[in-house]
Amino acid sequence: DIVMSQSPDSLAVSLGERVTIKCKSSQSLLYTVNNHIYLAWFQQKPGQPPKLLIYWASTRQSGVPDRFSGSGSGTDFTLSISSLQPEDVAVYYCQQYLSLPRTFGQGTKLEIK
Amino acid sequence: QVQLVQSGTEVKKPGSALKVSCKASGGTFGYYSVNWVRQAPGEGLEYLGGIVPDSGTANYAQKFQGRLTISADAPSSTVYMELTSLQSEDTAIYYCAREGNYMDLWGMGTSVTVSS
Repeated sequence: DIVMSQSPDSLAVSLGERVTIKCKSSQSLLYTVNNHIYLAWFQQKPGQPPKLLIYWASTRQSGVPDRFSGSGSGTDFTLSISSLQPEDVAVYYCQQYLSLPRTFGQGTKLEIK
Repeated sequence: QVQLVQSGTEVKKPGSALKVSCKASGGTFGYYSVNWVRQAPGEGLEYLGGIVPDSGTANYAQKFQGRLTISADAPSSTVYMELTSLQSEDTAIYYCAREGNYMDLWGMGTSVTVSS
């Protein structure tokens, strides 16, 4: 199984500041046949299901604000929020969909400082 | 617009079985697969398995092999997740999620409590 590890487990950031969340996979998520990276990011707020933010490591899902961005290659990935807003308080998960079983990072809890 | 509608809250005894449904309302699953993901209280997301409804081909995470069955009724656009030999550790919210390549549409979840 591909192991996904996120850092940090939690962080508190001031409103308007930049947020960076890291995700590392135990194997490369690059599928060389199509040059796609099989990595997604989700946001989960209390009492709600996860919401897809980013897929193919860097493509924003429709309707997701452009302050959210994803980057990375191979085994190291980053979710960034350019300017933290109150509604961004949530837990964020990375997930690989290259192989079965699908696996998630342990989550990063984001709070306002 | 397609929504995934899950069955309601369940309270189960240890040793019993659970069956949760996930229906595509307002459309069909089409070529998508449907995954099941659970979340224990205060914990992260855990993948159980998935199915391609059109073919009925299912996959299961090793941890659940032998006590998890995922099935589908394609004409009614409904997928089922059955988990047997329930223990307190199975207390969680169970989500279904549609996947083309990535999980882009999720049900609201079914709360399951296993308690004597």
